[in-house]
Amino acid sequence: NAGVMQNPRHLVRRRGQEARLRCSPMKGHSHVYWYRQLPEEGLKFMVYLQKENIIDESGMPKERFSAEFPKEGPSILRIQQVVRGDSAAYFCASAGLAGGYNEQFFGPGTRLTVL
Amino acid sequence: GQQVMQIPQYQHVQEGEDFTTYCNSSTTLSNIQWYKQRPGGHPVFLIQLVKSGEVKKQKRLTFQFGEAKKNSSLHITATQTTDVGTYFCAGPDTGTASKLTFGTGTRLQVTL
Repeated sequence: NAGVMQNPRHLVRRRGQEARLRCSPMKGHSHVYWYRQLPEEGLKFMVYLQKENIIDESGMPKERFSAEFPKEGPSILRIQQVVRGDSAAYFCASAGLAGGYNEQFFGPGTRLTVL
Repeated sequence: GQQVMQIPQYQHVQEGEDFTTYCNSSTTLSNIQWYKQRPGGHPVFLIQLVKSGEVKKQKRLTFQFGEAKKNSSLHITATQTTDVGTYFCAGPDTGTASKLTFGTGTRLQVTL
């Protein structure tokens, strides 16, 4: 009964380093969403991917952030040259069907701390 | 852009009291979803409402979708400490509908 897996659960980086966050969707799900949550705040959409395609990246900063969902393997959210403002919880969610009409299953999140 | 606001931001109740959170969208929604996030946890889907005026119940939780499909509410009867967490509503983004726009959330604290 594997749900959405994310790793690492906690990640500490120094300013200027790279952060790589991984997400394995639920079995049979091909739609992946990434969200960012600052402490005591809501969920902000970042990017929506299907296998090998970025469908909607309107919520992702233009610089330093990138995402992929290869044919094989997990989805990766990559943050280059991290800054303190990148410290947040990053959640991945997967869905069996596309769009905003369907339940999303969230992973446990990666808590990123930038020193 | 589309905005989904929730009130109150925070509510503190004594166990046994009722609780309601209200969700208001700046645009008409085709459906509304509700999620709960426990402290330190991740959002968990609770329910989806689709029809205008729809009311659904899950034990002590009652969900309602407004007639105009722009607002929704979640009411908890006789709160318990297990109800502690943040409740988010979410609806399809009006631009593309390819994603959900989450509300600002209501944080519920329950004390004995």
